[in-house]
Amino acid sequence: RKEVEQDPGPFNVPEGATVAFNCTYSNSASQSFFWYRQDCRKEPKLLMSVYSSGNEDGRFTAQLNRASQYISLLIRDSKLSDSATYLCVVKPFTGGGNKLTFGTGTQLKVEL
Amino acid sequence: NAGVTQTPKFQVLKTGQSMTLQCAQDMNHNSMYWYRQDPGMGLRLIYYSASEGTTDKGEVPNGYNVSRLNKREFSLRLESAAPSQTSVYFCASSETVGVSTNTGELFFGEGSRLTVL
Repeated sequence: RKEVEQDPGPFNVPEGATVAFNCTYSNSASQSFFWYRQDCRKEPKLLMSVYSSGNEDGRFTAQLNRASQYISLLIRDSKLSDSATYLCVVKPFTGGGNKLTFGTGTQLKVEL
Repeated sequence: NAGVTQTPKFQVLKTGQSMTLQCAQDMNHNSMYWYRQDPGMGLRLIYYSASEGTTDKGEVPNGYNVSRLNKREFSLRLESAAPSQTSVYFCASSETVGVSTNTGELFFGEGSRLTVL
């Protein structure tokens, strides 16, 4: 089983739609969780951290369910510019620098 | 600010050739990393350097060597390239070492696309 698993998609949604991605992780001792965004042929960039209580940043909401070991990302009112691949990222160990484990990503295509 | 700069951006090698990917960051970060990204595999850690003077193996270190030249620079060397090393390589840096101040934010370079024939 992969340490971090995501549905690769693509998710094709119309502009203005709400879309949600889930990600599961295998290591129950994982400490920190993040969503990164990667545009086509570009480098990944941090989108947001995921906190136990859930957190929101504008149109983006992230949730963590430790009991079921999954993370979710909700995007409301999708924009064309949201088209990208969204990487679920887990920090599995305490200490040891920022050794992060990346999922393979979920591709989102927002269409007119 | 330039952030993380990688060179070269593109390279084609023949099997058995050697090359070094260069990476430099201007954010005064302690930690630096080399990842490779392949279709369907996600980003996989090759080597990392938690601080100047230290390097450690990641998930896929075989066939690679690294040098943390100073705080700014972290290079990745392929001594004898193989077709299986065809990939996109990303260098990254972060400002934290311990979990207590870990933001989880890696700053990536633009990537180096390597093809080994």
